[in-house]
Amino acid sequence: EAQVTQNPRYLITVTGKKLTVTCSQNMNHEYMSWYRQDPGLGLRQIYYSMNVEVTDKGDVPEGYKVSRKEKRNFPLILESPSPNQTSLYFCASSLFSGTGGVYGYTFGSGTRLTVV
Amino acid sequence: GQQVMQIPQYQHVQEGEDFTTYCNSSTTLSNIQWYKQRPGGHPVFLIQLVKSGEVKKQKRLTFQFGEAKKNSSLHITATQTTDVGTYFCAGRENAGNMLTFGGGTRLMVKP
Repeated sequence: EAQVTQNPRYLITVTGKKLTVTCSQNMNHEYMSWYRQDPGLGLRQIYYSMNVEVTDKGDVPEGYKVSRKEKRNFPLILESPSPNQTSLYFCASSLFSGTGGVYGYTFGSGTRLTVV
Repeated sequence: GQQVMQIPQYQHVQEGEDFTTYCNSSTTLSNIQWYKQRPGGHPVFLIQLVKSGEVKKQKRLTFQFGEAKKNSSLHITATQTTDVGTYFCAGRENAGNMLTFGGGTRLMVKP
């Protein structure tokens, strides 16, 4: 089944303790992206990647890191989480063409992160 | 940077009534996408519009892209309880690689 798999689904952590949220897709998609969803703010892009070893900042990259060493994986790293990073996080992937841009995203099921 | 605004933020309708959500971009878009997110779920891709003035239909859903490619709308005819959820538009600027989402319209349907 074509899907984007995120882990974990739920995470409660303490301020300053490094964590990684994993994301993997099995559709051979070039484009992958991380979004955070907060009430009243919709979906805001954190980072995106157009292919292996190519990453770029979205609208809210502060406090986050990503890497794209393999096409299928795009982990999100919080080096020193703070309470304002408490949110619902979604990983998404899609096909990408230089001219056509990003096609429809397939989203993962989400990771609900609480930082206390 | 690019901003995508959606109105209304919330809409309550009686089952059988029509529903429309509007999306406006601060910049010209190369394409616009629409997503639906059920309560507790993740966004699911519905459709992409590319051409100026384009209109596409999916059963009771009608999607429209404005002539100037700066606005779009989603209209649902005769809503059903299965239409409940939040509808998001997402726009890509010309020559850009980012997809910017609107704030979403949450639709609630009373049976």
